[in-house]
Amino acid sequence: KNEVEQSPQNLTAQEGEFITINCSYSVGISALHWLQQHPGGGIVSLFMLSSGKKKHGRLIATINIQEKHSSLHITASHPRDSAVYICAVPSLYSGGGADGLTFGKGTHLIIQP
Amino acid sequence: EPEVTQTPSHQVTQMGQEVILRCVPISNHLYFYWYRQILGQKVEFLVSFYNNEISEKSEIFDDQFSVERPDGSNFTLKIRSTKLEDSAMYFCASTSGPPNFGPGTRLLVL
Repeated sequence: KNEVEQSPQNLTAQEGEFITINCSYSVGISALHWLQQHPGGGIVSLFMLSSGKKKHGRLIATINIQEKHSSLHITASHPRDSAVYICAVPSLYSGGGADGLTFGKGTHLIIQP
Repeated sequence: EPEVTQTPSHQVTQMGQEVILRCVPISNHLYFYWYRQILGQKVEFLVSFYNNEISEKSEIFDDQFSVERPDGSNFTLKIRSTKLEDSAMYFCASTSGPPNFGPGTRLLVL
C-alpha cells in the first residue's frame, strides 16, 4: 500500500508570497493528484500528473518520478487561495484502473492580506 | 459542467440504525468511489466500483458496508448497524481521468 507524506502541515503567508507544498510517496505510481479542500469540505481536483510539470493559472505542479516527490507551487498568493491542499496517489491495492486514492494529511494554507 | 451530486447533505441517525447514502456520478464516467473523512483527519478510501461490481476495497470496508448501483444513475453506500465511529463526511467520486468529488454527506451517529 502506498504511503503519502506532506509538508508543511500548516503554512501561513502574506499575500503575494510564493508558496511551496511538498509531497513524498513510497511506491512508484502512474499519476499523482493535487486536490484542494475548501473550508466547507468540498474537494476539487487541481492537477493529475505523471511526469514533468503542469501549470494552471497561478498554480504549478511538478513531479519527480525517480525521487517519488512532487511539489505544488502558488505564485502571487491571494487570501482566496486559503484552503487545505492535499496530495493523493493510487492506493495500489491491486494496481488496477479502479484503484482508490491514498490521501496525504493535507497542508492547511492561510494567506493573510 | 456536469457534477457529482450526493444526498442527503446531512444525516443524523441513532446508533444501530441503517443508513443509505446516495450519489449520482457523472453520466459518462466508468469508475465510482466512496471515501470518508472523519472530522480533523485525512480522507480515506473505502471502495471502488467498476462495471457494476466492487473493484477494490480498503480494510475499512467490512461487512457493515455495501455498495450498489440500483439503476443507471444512482450509486449508493449502505451502512448497517451504525456505530458512533461511523460519524464522518462521506464523499462519492467518479472518474474517467482526474476524480470528480461530490459535495459530501455529513453523517452523525448518536
